Amino acid sequence: NAGVTQTPKFQVLKTGQSMTLQCAQDMNHNSMYWYRQDPGMGLRLIYYSASEGTTDKGEVPNGYNVSRLNKREFSLRLESAAPSQTSVYFCASSYRGEKLFFGSGTQLSVL
Amino acid sequence: DQQVKQNSPSLSVQEGRISILNCDYTNSMFDYFLWYKKYPAEGPTFLISISSIKDKNEDGRFTVFLNKSAKHLSLHIVPSQPGDSAVYFCAALSGGGADGLTFGKGTHLIIQP
Repeated sequence: NAGVTQTPKFQVLKTGQSMTLQCAQDMNHNSMYWYRQDPGMGLRLIYYSASEGTTDKGEVPNGYNVSRLNKREFSLRLESAAPSQTSVYFCASSYRGEKLFFGSGTQLSVL
Repeated sequence: DQQVKQNSPSLSVQEGRISILNCDYTNSMFDYFLWYKKYPAEGPTFLISISSIKDKNEDGRFTVFLNKSAKHLSLHIVPSQPGDSAVYFCAALSGGGADGLTFGKGTHLIIQP
């Protein structure tokens, strides 16, 4: 079982470049999430999609956009990357919101 | 304002002993609590959870205790094993939680041989 699959695993960007992080789940979950993890900060919610066709801001949405392409896929876009966006990004999914299943993460460095 | 607090960034415990990880919360609307375990270069994985209508939940070596009046929960691991060395995150949600979990900053548990 693949579960939650994120691509890429690693990425280095220059300030101002754009990129899209891809996420797909095969568990038929309704809800999908993007979190970032920074040292000493825990996991912070960037955006979420409670169901197909809806997206909402989380705690730290500035500088990001998302697209819920279909029930399986939820992408995160950085339009103009900044060094403050250097982080590890995790995608997650859940059936109703209680137990989240996480992908293995994307380590992003913005120089 | 941090709604879920894990005040110990790290904890070192001898193999075979009990590990106790603590978590405090401030939001009275939280009604479901979870613990996640994370190894380096991997995503967090679900460990154990507890509903606010209970004060204890057990799963093998792992027990979570909830004290609602104190807004405090703890995770007990007995006996501690080397494979338990990881970062543990406390998380909480309210009202079904489709808008995501609120996480603490994590506690790095180190099991000493």
